[in-house]
Parts: sequence; structure tokens; C-alpha cells
Amino acid sequence: DQQVKQNSPSLSVQEGRISILNCDYTNSMFDYFLWYKKYPAEGPTFLISISSIKDKNEDGRFTVFLNKSAKHLSLHIVPSQPGDSAVYFCAARETSGSRLTFGEGTQLTVNP
Amino acid sequence: AAGVIQSPRHLIKEKRETATLKCYPIPRHDTVYWYQQGPGQDPQFLISFYEKMQSDKGSIPDRFSAQQFSDYHSELNMSSLELGDSALYFCASSSRDSGTDTQYFGPGTRLTVL
Repeated sequence: DQQVKQNSPSLSVQEGRISILNCDYTNSMFDYFLWYKKYPAEGPTFLISISSIKDKNEDGRFTVFLNKSAKHLSLHIVPSQPGDSAVYFCAARETSGSRLTFGEGTQLTVNP
Repeated sequence: AAGVIQSPRHLIKEKRETATLKCYPIPRHDTVYWYQQGPGQDPQFLISFYEKMQSDKGSIPDRFSAQQFSDYHSELNMSSLELGDSALYFCASSSRDSGTDTQYFGPGTRLTVL
């Protein structure tokens, strides 16, 4: 039972354009959502997060949008850079201190 | 800034052997989590500790055990290793005092069981 789903296994974008990564969830108890970036042979690196009481959070080139009614969130990267090429994981948790449930990941490739 | 440290980074074991993975959390973090990531899969939660007490348990086999010590480092002990235990094992740490309680991950230990 995949409670967090990233339906696009891969995404290819041109440098300078916007990258949009999507994530859907089924568990309505999730109240905090995070995006991690992962390079091969490294651990996930925290990028940005959003609480369920908000619908948008922005940090530099990264913006996360949350639509609670649709149980959907997205990560926007603008402008995309070749160094952004990595696997991006969406993750969710129910309460502070609780386990993270991850999506399957999306491989982002930013072409120069 | 100090990050989560895991050792060893790579480990090769034979079937039925035992393995011990170590995790040193970010200083002043009070919670440690262990995750397992199989090939082509997303990380799956194994177990967590808050202030040295087990706080949550996920899909961790009975052959595995873990603990958090007084200095907050944690060890994952794996016995009777099976081929299917080959995976990346990540440790993460967080601080409940931080407000967001974001989990920060270590570089992982790649375990190969032959």
C-alpha cells in the first residue's frame, strides 16, 4: 500500500526552465511534507518542507505547493540548473518525531 | 555544520553472518531513525529512538535489533544475514526542540550479503 506516490519516474528539463515534480498521498493523517534530493551513493539531502496548515513555502529557487483537498503537493524549481539533476523524493509524516513515508522518487535530468 | 555520521560506509558479509551498523547523530539531536533502501526502491522505515528509548517500530525483521546509547549514537545489529538484506541503510536524526523536527540523513551504509 503506497501511501505516497510519485507517478513520474523521470523528468527531463532544459536548463533555465521550470521543473515541476508532483506527489500524491492517501493518508489524511499526514500533516508535514518534505522534499529530499538524492545523488547516487549519498544519503537524501533535505530541500524544503511544508506544514499542512500552509499551502505554499518558498526557499530560493525551490517552492513547494500543497493542495490538501486534492492530497497533492508539488515542487517547483526555477530556474533549473544542471546541478539539480538527481532523484527527488517526496516524504510525509503524521506527527513530530514520527517516521517518514517516502514516494518512489523522480529522476530529474536538467540538460545544459 | 556537522552532519549525521555513519560507519562503515561499505560492508560485505556472508550469509548467516552478523553485522553492526553505527550512527552518530547531529549534535543536540534527540531522535534517531533507521531506514532501509533496497535497489530501485524508496527508503523504508525500520525503527526509531527518542532520548534512548525506542519510539517507533516499522518493518524491521526479528533478526535485527537496535539501540541508542547514552551519547545518543545508535547501532543497528543484524544477525543471520540473508541475501535479501543487501541494501543501503540510512540513519537520520532530528530535534523535537527545533519546531519542524526535520530529519537529516547520513550518507548511508551499503551492505552486501554474499
